[in-house]
Amino acid sequence: IQMTQSPSSLSASVGDRVTITCRASESISNYLNWYQQIPGKAPNLLIYGASSLQSGVPARFSGAGWGTDFTLTISSLQPEDFATYYCQQTYRTPLFGPGTKVDIK
Amino acid sequence: EVQLVESGGGLVQPGGSLRLSCAASGFTFNSYWMGWVRQAPGKGLEGVANIRQDGNQIYYVDSVKGRFTMSRDNARNSLYLQMNSLRAEDTAIYYCARLVVPPPIVGWFFDLWGRGTLVTVSS
Repeated sequence: IQMTQSPSSLSASVGDRVTITCRASESISNYLNWYQQIPGKAPNLLIYGASSLQSGVPARFSGAGWGTDFTLTISSLQPEDFATYYCQQTYRTPLFGPGTKVDIK
Repeated sequence: EVQLVESGGGLVQPGGSLRLSCAASGFTFNSYWMGWVRQAPGKGLEGVANIRQDGNQIYYVDSVKGRFTMSRDNARNSLYLQMNSLRAEDTAIYYCARLVVPPPIVGWFFDLWGRGTLVTVSS
């Protein structure tokens, strides 16, 4: 199973609504997770099972999708959200997507 | 405090060996699968290996099979990664991570990560 993410990078402003897409080459049911990585830090789990919000993660983050197409949405971008976001499928041999870098416009 | 702390990284020549350790604290270590994930400089994340609670089931990514060995010592709350025949392309930050399989099953995920340890393979 191959994973792609789009866009590979984007520039946005504080308060913007941001949506990142992750696509699998075949159906992975809802076995899709999202992680945030701030530069110089370890990754942090945001969403598991495509749409379940990890405990402690702000409600402005949400996930959706099933099968091959998934999205991560940040409803109102905050300064601490500028980071790289990775999807990960765990349906078969686990694999991370290539990442989407979100930086300041 | 719930945490994972990696150690053992450093500079090693191609063909050399290195043993990484991960010390777990603040949770019941022997109740969890554990994993190693690496990140080459400026690159994305790659899962390296996962190990079951009892240490009797281990999965490796193809690129490290036959060279890396993952193990755990539940009495010491510790995880290990023995890396042999190291190559330049193994240069990366290596993260230790806790793996969770929640009921109902929606696929597993890593919910706790260490800060990582840098491995540099170079002559």
